[in-house]
Amino acid sequence: AAGVIQSPRHLIKEKRETATLKCYPIPRHDTVYWYQQGPGQDPQFLISFYEKMQSDKGSIPDRFSAQQFSDYHSELNMSSLELGDSALYFCASRYWAGNTEAFFGQGTRLTVV
Amino acid sequence: KNEVEQSPQNLTAQEGEFITINCSYSVGISALHWLQQHPGGGIVSLFMLSSGKKKHGRLIATINIQEKHSSLHITASHPRDSAVYICAAHFGNEKLTFGTGTRLTIIP
Repeated sequence: AAGVIQSPRHLIKEKRETATLKCYPIPRHDTVYWYQQGPGQDPQFLISFYEKMQSDKGSIPDRFSAQQFSDYHSELNMSSLELGDSALYFCASRYWAGNTEAFFGQGTRLTVV
Repeated sequence: KNEVEQSPQNLTAQEGEFITINCSYSVGISALHWLQQHPGGGIVSLFMLSSGKKKHGRLIATINIQEKHSSLHITASHPRDSAVYICAAHFGNEKLTFGTGTRLTIIP
């Protein structure tokens, strides 16, 4: 069965560079959640989308932006990268109606050097 | 405020022992997930529960809606079960709220 796909799996960037992370949800899932997990830390909610509209916003820095496209995949754009942005970024997808299970991607491990 | 608490934070056990990890939440939820994360790895969803009990191999998850409590049990634990186990709750249709995780170490 298809799972949530994230790309790339690993990414190394230098300070002040830009990174784009992609999340491809389970087919027919209309909701995507983005989370950031720093080393040894709990996942922190960044932002979510439902039907291509932002549905909720958490602790996402102003340097970050995200969107959900017509095919429901989502991209997290990160600019002016800082060392503290090094983390595992994972997304989860869900079908909003019907209280269904959320499925998780494997995550993108971003290292800022 | 939507809160999820887990216990214990760290758990070390001998191979073969029966393991229980607990999760409590503050208000009514629509669903609760049990997740597994190996060091440096991504997150794997083990179970989603909204009521009752689920079993998969040596893993069992239960939820008591009235007591706002869920447990994850591992029978005949094995060193490969060593990981961080996280419970995460959906409060309505909101984002998942994560517990702090339980770091499980199984010693051969």
